[in-house]
Amino acid sequence: GNSVTQMEGPVTLSEEAFLTINCTYTATGYPSLFWYVQYPGEGLQLLLKATKADDKGSNKGFEATYRKETTSFHLEKGSVQVSDSAVYFCALSPNFNKFYFGSGTKLNVKP
Amino acid sequence: DVKVTQSSRYLVKRTGEKVFLECVQDMDHENMFWYRQDPGLGLRLIYFSYDVKMKEKGDIPEGYSVSREKKERFSLILESASTNQTSMYLCASSPAAGPYNEQFFGPGTRLTVL
Repeated sequence: GNSVTQMEGPVTLSEEAFLTINCTYTATGYPSLFWYVQYPGEGLQLLLKATKADDKGSNKGFEATYRKETTSFHLEKGSVQVSDSAVYFCALSPNFNKFYFGSGTKLNVKP
Repeated sequence: DVKVTQSSRYLVKRTGEKVFLECVQDMDHENMFWYRQDPGLGLRLIYFSYDVKMKEKGDIPEGYSVSREKKERFSLILESASTNQTSMYLCASSPAAGPYNEQFFGPGTRLTVL
């Protein structure tokens, strides 16, 4: 089956710290992988995506690399800001239109 | 600017009431989805639709129904609301075909059933 597992939160960091949020997946076939972000009081919005193995998605200083050998898509950012405080969801979409989301990881960044 | 709108941001209903949650998208997307979001459980798919008048059950359809009479509108119906349906409800849409599409989300409706 298809499923996504991501690290439990909350993750609390100081401003300018390095961020890693782990995400691993189980899938049939060759899914596309996504990171979505949800800011307080808002819906989810796409942060980045990767459609095949070894692809790197990037946006707003965040990066994630599609690792087929370890079935992972870890989210990283070199220097977080207070404005990055949000809930981050890892997701996959196999060869049809359904999406499977992880449980979300809350990030708190302190000044 | 692409948009998915939901009829209410906050809604309070009583047990046993019939509840309608409306979602409208202006992107001419074929696919539309309803999720509920609960702490620690992430997003769980309730129903989705690939076309007008078409619907398919997601992972947790019990207690819910949906209606899609027009391409841009997808309604979620709670026939008889119960307290365990208190949750955040998110609507999303995506274009048809292919595994590379992203989903566009509305702002969510926080429903409280008393």
